[in-house]
Amino acid sequence: AQRVTQPEKLLSVFKGAPVELKCNYSYSGSPELFWYVQYSRQRLQLLLRHISRESIKGFTADLNKGETSFHLKKPFAQEEDSAMYYCALTLSGGYNKLIFGAGTRLAVHP
Amino acid sequence: NAGVTQTPKFRILKIGQSMTLQCTQDMNHNYMYWYRQDPGMGLKLIYYSVGAGITDKGEVPNGYNVSRSTTEDFPLRLELAAPSQTSVYFCASQNFDTQYFGPGTRLTVL
Repeated sequence: AQRVTQPEKLLSVFKGAPVELKCNYSYSGSPELFWYVQYSRQRLQLLLRHISRESIKGFTADLNKGETSFHLKKPFAQEEDSAMYYCALTLSGGYNKLIFGAGTRLAVHP
Repeated sequence: NAGVTQTPKFRILKIGQSMTLQCTQDMNHNYMYWYRQDPGMGLKLIYYSVGAGITDKGEVPNGYNVSRSTTEDFPLRLELAAPSQTSVYFCASQNFDTQYFGPGTRLTVL
């Protein structure tokens, strides 16, 4: 069965420290992976997608098919990065139904 | 554009009552989704729709019904509410590979 695992419920770092939010997936096909973010009192919104190979707000994520991972990284965390982060998987050939991980809360301290 | 709007924001139901969660989007998106999010868990897909008049079950459809008579509206109906339906409900619409989420409805069934 398709599954997305985010092993950390909470990641706590100091401002300026590197950040890596882990995401592992299980899917036998060719996945499309995303990171969604929810800032305090805001809606869930797309942060980035693996297919674009983009950097958004200093965050990057690389799809590693060998390790079935899509970890989110940022070299220097900022306080405004504090939020809930969700990794999500889309099944190829479907209606783009998303399968979400449980989420990781990132807390960046001054 | 208001984007995706949901009403109500909060609701408390008694066991056995019924209610409809409203979802409207003004972006003319064909794809729409209903998710629920239980504490500490990721979002789970309840129902989805690929256009007016077309709906299908997601991962956790039991106890819910939907309809899609227009492109804009995608209401979720709970018949005979149960404590297991206590959750936060999110509606989303989709354009290409990006889902746009509403602010959520927090439902408590007592």
